[in-house]
Amino acid sequence: EDQVTQSPEALRLQEGESSSLNCSYTVSGLRGLFWYRQDPGKGPEFLFTLYSAGEEKEKERLKATLTKKESFLHITAPKPEDSATYLCAVQDNYGQNFVFGPGTRLSVLP
Amino acid sequence: EAQVTQNPRYLITVTGKKLTVTCSQNMNHEYMSWYRQDPGLGLRQIYYSMNVEVTDKGDVPEGYKVSRKEKRNFPLILESPSPNQTSLYFCASSRGNNEQFFGPGTRLTVL
Repeated sequence: EDQVTQSPEALRLQEGESSSLNCSYTVSGLRGLFWYRQDPGKGPEFLFTLYSAGEEKEKERLKATLTKKESFLHITAPKPEDSATYLCAVQDNYGQNFVFGPGTRLSVLP
Repeated sequence: EAQVTQNPRYLITVTGKKLTVTCSQNMNHEYMSWYRQDPGLGLRQIYYSMNVEVTDKGDVPEGYKVSRKEKRNFPLILESPSPNQTSLYFCASSRGNNEQFFGPGTRLTVL
């Protein structure tokens, strides 16, 4: 059974204080790993897809990396508007269903 | 504007009263899916559809039904809702089965 865990559950940073969020996964064969951002009261918003170990993707202050067992979302010099819950999801090689982690709730204080 | 819409956004109902939550997308996406989101459990997939007339169970399908008669619509049906189905529901769509676009959510309370 595919499983996804995320750590920490919650993270408070000062503005400009860089950090990383972790997503650990167990899947029979990974087709893709997805990162989403979710603001309170809204649906998740797509950030990145990673397909193979060693792959990296960047968008503004965010950079996602992938190994065979986990993915990291690095946040460089965060701003208060980066405060949100970050969700990780995996899709197996059958490529039909998605399994989400519980998320990391990030708060960036000015 | 490309979007996924859900209706209603908020619903309070009573145990056993059948209800339908509608989902529609205007992006001509093949793949559509329903999730429920509960505190501490994250997003869990209820049902998904790879295309018209093709649906399959996700991780938590019990108590739910879906249909996909048209490409743009994917309604979620609760034939006899129970209090444990109180949750926040999201519909999503994607081209193929890649990154998904999510709707705004439907907050359901079953008394």
